[in-house]
Amino acid sequence: ETGVTQTPRHLVMGMTNKKSLKCEQHLGHNAMYWYKQSAKKPLELMFVYNFKEQTENNSVPSRFSPECPNSSHLFLHLHTLQPEDSALYLCASSQARITSGQETQYFGPGTRLLVL
Amino acid sequence: KNQVEQSPQSLIILEGKNCTLQCNYTVSPFSNLRWYKQDTGRGPVSLTIMTFSENTKSNGRYTATLDADTKQSSLHITASQLSDSASYICVVSESGGYNKLIFGAGTRLAVHP
Repeated sequence: ETGVTQTPRHLVMGMTNKKSLKCEQHLGHNAMYWYKQSAKKPLELMFVYNFKEQTENNSVPSRFSPECPNSSHLFLHLHTLQPEDSALYLCASSQARITSGQETQYFGPGTRLLVL
Repeated sequence: KNQVEQSPQSLIILEGKNCTLQCNYTVSPFSNLRWYKQDTGRGPVSLTIMTFSENTKSNGRYTATLDADTKQSSLHITASQLSDSASYICVVSESGGYNKLIFGAGTRLAVHP
């Protein structure tokens, strides 16, 4: 395993539901990321946290709300989602925010989300 | 526009055979290029990272090459095994401040017995 865990692994929710995805890393890293992976499309970076501070929000709709209470935990709160939000949501961590060096991101297994 | 294009989109080979996956990019300014392997139901795992000055890097049966002049990279898999069945993702990093990662859509490889 990569040292990054995500729960739940699968989630089915209606458009009016509120749910949260959880990510935890046991690697002592300081940067954490949320990605969306849709079928046959490149990974889309959603949010970046560096030392618990949000440093990047790639024009993500407000129905996705991230939370980073400490360097080891990252949440993605979901509300009033749309069917097109169905995808695999991946969490990743790295020692520090990716720079031009040899930083490697370690990914969790993802949460497969289906919005009905 | 910075883009990463991978080919083929999918590939089927027989166990024991070799194969080569391609990655072309238009990212500029270039910082580094990474190849990831993603098994079904799992997150991507890093295979190799190459900077501008490196033109080949190996990780076991995986060998990545980089031609920064033509902006092309390849991932060569030798003596394929059933466990090589996965998606292989090329990621190019754009330099400058906090690097931006540009992901390819991946090549889905199936190794059959």
